[in-house]
Amino acid sequence: QVQLVQSGAEVKKTGASVKVSCKASGYTFTGHYLHWVRQAPGQGLEWMGWINPSSGASNYVQKFQGRVAMTRDTSITTAYMELSGLRSDDTAIYYCARLISMGTFDYWGQGTLVTVSS
Amino acid sequence: DIQMTQSPSSLSASVGDRVTVTCRASHSINSYLNWYQQKPGKAPKLLIYAASSLESGVPSRFSGSGSGTDFTLSISSLQPEDFATYYCQQSYSTPYTFGQGTKLGIK
Repeated sequence: QVQLVQSGAEVKKTGASVKVSCKASGYTFTGHYLHWVRQAPGQGLEWMGWINPSSGASNYVQKFQGRVAMTRDTSITTAYMELSGLRSDDTAIYYCARLISMGTFDYWGQGTLVTVSS
Repeated sequence: DIQMTQSPSSLSASVGDRVTVTCRASHSINSYLNWYQQKPGKAPKLLIYAASSLESGVPSRFSGSGSGTDFTLSISSLQPEDFATYYCQQSYSTPYTFGQGTKLGIK
């Protein structure tokens, strides 16, 4: 069965970086784009960008340009999202999600809470 | 960017009620509209894709309709497990955007 398993919660200082992993199993890793979505406490869902696990190409929403990097390691079917220059408003749960046709996210990771404090 | 506006932001209903949530896009998105359910502490779960297609395993009391800019999610007979927050998402163009959510509570 398809599974996306993310790394555990992180606590970071303002200005630091965080790298969240998303381990995929149960399907062909290179066959589907992986997207990252975040959710601040008590807030809605915010799309961050995607990575093509096959080519390594990525695309980010403009507000994160220069601060985010999405990468992958096909040998261990794992995608990563690294966010640098952390601010308090980056405190959120970060999700990876598998993309299928029509831009639909059919499977999601369990989420990784990133807490940023000074 | 395409803005997605859901209404209402919250509503209260009883088990057995029929409820409808609406989602409006700032530009036409054809049928590139998905609906997700999220329960506290859990990841979103896909309910409806391409505006009206029911995801496998999702109960048939859920249905979606619409195209262009106006969409609806309906639950025909609320069950206790349906009390959650619902989000619409447009996948017509990036950046993909979500509605602000509709919290469905017990009356």
